[in-house]
Amino acid sequence: EPEVTQTPSHQVTQMGQEVILRCVPISNHLYFYWYRQILGQKVEFLVSFYNNEISEKSEIFDDQFSVERPDGSNFTLKIRSTKLEDSAMYFCASSAGTQNTEAFFGQGTRLTVV
Amino acid sequence: QKEVEQDPGPLSVPEGAIVSLNCTYSNSAFQYFMWYRQYSRKGPELLMYTYSSGNKEDGRFTAQVDKSSKYISLFIRDSQPSDSATYLCAMSRMNRDDKIIFGKGTRLHILP
Repeated sequence: EPEVTQTPSHQVTQMGQEVILRCVPISNHLYFYWYRQILGQKVEFLVSFYNNEISEKSEIFDDQFSVERPDGSNFTLKIRSTKLEDSAMYFCASSAGTQNTEAFFGQGTRLTVV
Repeated sequence: QKEVEQDPGPLSVPEGAIVSLNCTYSNSAFQYFMWYRQYSRKGPELLMYTYSSGNKEDGRFTAQVDKSSKYISLFIRDSQPSDSATYLCAMSRMNRDDKIIFGKGTRLHILP
């Protein structure tokens, strides 16, 4: 069964450092997303991406965040200068983009900023 | 008022019982309603989705949507210990590719 894969599963970084979270969406999917979940809180939308550009972004997705699809298979989330409050689980998701299709989520990257 | 409200629980029920989980929402633009299951430190896994009002059944799971009351439910029949997880209600607007708004999740424990 096709699945969304994310690497690394756990990333520890020092405050102020840049991190890149990587995702390989399902191969024939067209829409890509990043969500995050702070411990004990709900899953929150960060950004959606289609046709090599951002479709929508939340107020969380400020200038410190960027997304890229560098090579047609990977989908990355970069945080330029991490803050303690960026510590969370980050989930990548993809969908085929036709009506009544579902968004498939990856297993997540746990980011810990120290 | 929060966009999606869900009682976080925990909810503990004996094995074999019928489980009822529910959410309320405030945005009448939501058209797609979903239930995800999430195990600890794992990604959300889609269980069921429905479009607009009505019921949908899949095995032991039944999803109900009442748009007039802005209320959605998930029923689990013959609950099993393996059903123990956090259940997230979620919804989106007209396009299925639209961002998903999640509830906080209800932690469910099925006691053997």
